[in-house]
Amino acid sequence: EIVLTQSPGTLSLSPGERAILSCRASQDIRRDYLAWYQQKPGQAPRLFIYEASTRATGIPDRFSGSGSGTDFTLTITRLEPEDFAVFYCQQYGSSPWTFGQGTKVEI
Amino acid sequence: QVQLQQWGAGLLKPSETLSLTCAVSGGSFSSFYWNWIRQPPGKGLEWIGEIDHSGITNYNPSLKSRVTMSVDTSKNQFSLKLRSVTAADTSVYYCARVQHWLPRGFDLWGQGTLVTVSS
Repeated sequence: EIVLTQSPGTLSLSPGERAILSCRASQDIRRDYLAWYQQKPGQAPRLFIYEASTRATGIPDRFSGSGSGTDFTLTITRLEPEDFAVFYCQQYGSSPWTFGQGTKVEI
Repeated sequence: QVQLQQWGAGLLKPSETLSLTCAVSGGSFSSFYWNWIRQPPGKGLEWIGEIDHSGITNYNPSLKSRVTMSVDTSKNQFSLKLRSVTAADTSVYYCARVQHWLPRGFDLWGQGTLVTVSS
């Protein structure tokens, strides 16, 4: 099973600042099948990034994903008030599909 | 507009069987894997397993001994059964889909169902 470790656990920032979230895998993720999700309280997660760097439909371009192999990053260039939430990375290259423990982006 | 609508019992006693169903409306049923994912209150996400339209399943080994998934293609629905539940199974359970070819992660989710296990 691939273990995903996200850091930091919590990121305290202000609107307009840049956020950099890290996701490290315990082994190479096949075909860079790494996704990022945003989850707000009381809501289901929402897909933001897939294949490490491709934005899902409707996701603004201030969100970008990068990385390959075992090290991946989600960058939010200019935080908007609606971006404050928990972000999870998830790998779908090797079963069982696994999630990171999450990074909370808070004001 | 494709939607996933899920339902099932929200309160169980220990040793009972959890049973949830998810209905797919407005889109293809055969082009996706249909998944169940859970999230204990205040914690992270755990993938439970998936099933395709023909009934082929793939379960998380950590839950495999207690999980059964099934599909009803006549209704575009799929279901989850989890046997012998304990308090540790208390979670919000989500259904979600993954594209069969060229997967893109879980791109559509149900609204979630809170299942509480308590005596």
